[in-house]
Parts: sequence; structure tokens; C-alpha cells
Amino acid sequence: NAGVTQTPKFRVLKTGQSMTLLCAQDMNHEYMYWYRQDPGMGLRLIHYSVGEGTTAKGEVPDGYNVSRLKKQNFLLGLESAAPSQTSVYFCASSYADTQYFGPGTRLTVL
Amino acid sequence: GQQVMQIPQYQHVQEGEDFTTYCNSSTTLSNIQWYKQRPGGHPVFLIQLVKSGEVKKQKRLTFQFGEAKKNSSLHITATQTTDVGTYFCAGPLVNFNKFYFGSGTKLNVKP
Repeated sequence: NAGVTQTPKFRVLKTGQSMTLLCAQDMNHEYMYWYRQDPGMGLRLIHYSVGEGTTAKGEVPDGYNVSRLKKQNFLLGLESAAPSQTSVYFCASSYADTQYFGPGTRLTVL
Repeated sequence: GQQVMQIPQYQHVQEGEDFTTYCNSSTTLSNIQWYKQRPGGHPVFLIQLVKSGEVKKQKRLTFQFGEAKKNSSLHITATQTTDVGTYFCAGPLVNFNKFYFGSGTKLNVKP
């Protein structure tokens, strides 16, 4: 099992560009999450999903959209990137409460 | 909203010294989890505490959950260089699958 995978690993965007981060899990987990991690800020929840076709807002949802069309995939979209969105993005999935994290995507917005 | 506070933010210790990080929530937690993130890596689940006053041990690591289920601690005895990383606590809201992570304690161990 690959666990939780994220693509891409690194990305540099210009302000105003759009992009989609892909998260995939092969553990048949119902719950999936997107976090961002900034220095000294810990992990902040952006959006989450409790099942296929459902999404909900977390702590810091502004500027992001998500979709969960398939159970195994959770997509995070940035419609118009801003420098404040420079961060490391982690996806996670869980069956009960234990979360399994992907390796992360390092995004820089210039 | 709920906040999970963690202290200290940084801790530098000499190898062999003990280390403790503390986690406090403004509201009662259904359970609390601890994660470790190595430099450049991703958070990895260590343990979950569910019961009030629960204490669990993993080799040199001791985890405690407070009686009121609002605080927790992680204690490492005789640190080793392999303990280097950032330790996070995380508490889910009751009845929701939203997790609030503490800001983490970054541990550095000097050999």
C-alpha cells in the first residue's frame, strides 16, 4: 500500500495563477483533510471531507476550494494564488481518529 | 473557537536529559493524539489517549491525559538524537472530525 500520496511535491506559482493539489489514499478511509503548515503556526485545517461527495470548511478556508468526487481522492484548488498562500500543504486521511499524512507539497507564490 | 495551546515552542537539551511538552485545550476533548514530525518530514501518529487520567508509555516516552480531559503531556526520558523533531498534540472536537493541532514543540538534542 502506498498510503497517502500527494502531487506535486514542489511548485512555484506567480500571483494570480491557479493550481490544483492532488491527494490520493489507498486505505479506503472515509475522512480526508487538507492542512497548511507555516513556521511557528503548527498545522491549520483548511478543508475536510467526511465522505465521497461531501466537503466542509476548516479553520482557514478562504482562497481555497476542494472536491471529493471519488473516495480515494481529495483535491485542493487555488483559484488565484497569493503570496500569503506560500506554505507546505499536507493531506491526511483517517478511518477512526488516527490521521495518516502524505509527504506534503511545498508551494511558493511569488 | 476551540484552541489547543502547546508549550514550550522550542526546547534544546543535551543528550541524556529529559524533555516534556504540554498541551492545553480551552474545551474538553474527546481524546488527544500526539504526532512527531522529523525535520523535512510529515507528521507521524504516535499515540492516542481517550480516558480521563490515562497514562501510556512507549519505551522512553510517557503520555498523560488530564483528569478534566483538557490537558496532556509528553515526557521523554533520557533523550537521544533520534528524538529530534517537532511534537504536536491534536484534539478533535467532540462529535466532529475536525482536528485542532497545537503549534508544536520543536526539540533539538545536542550529542
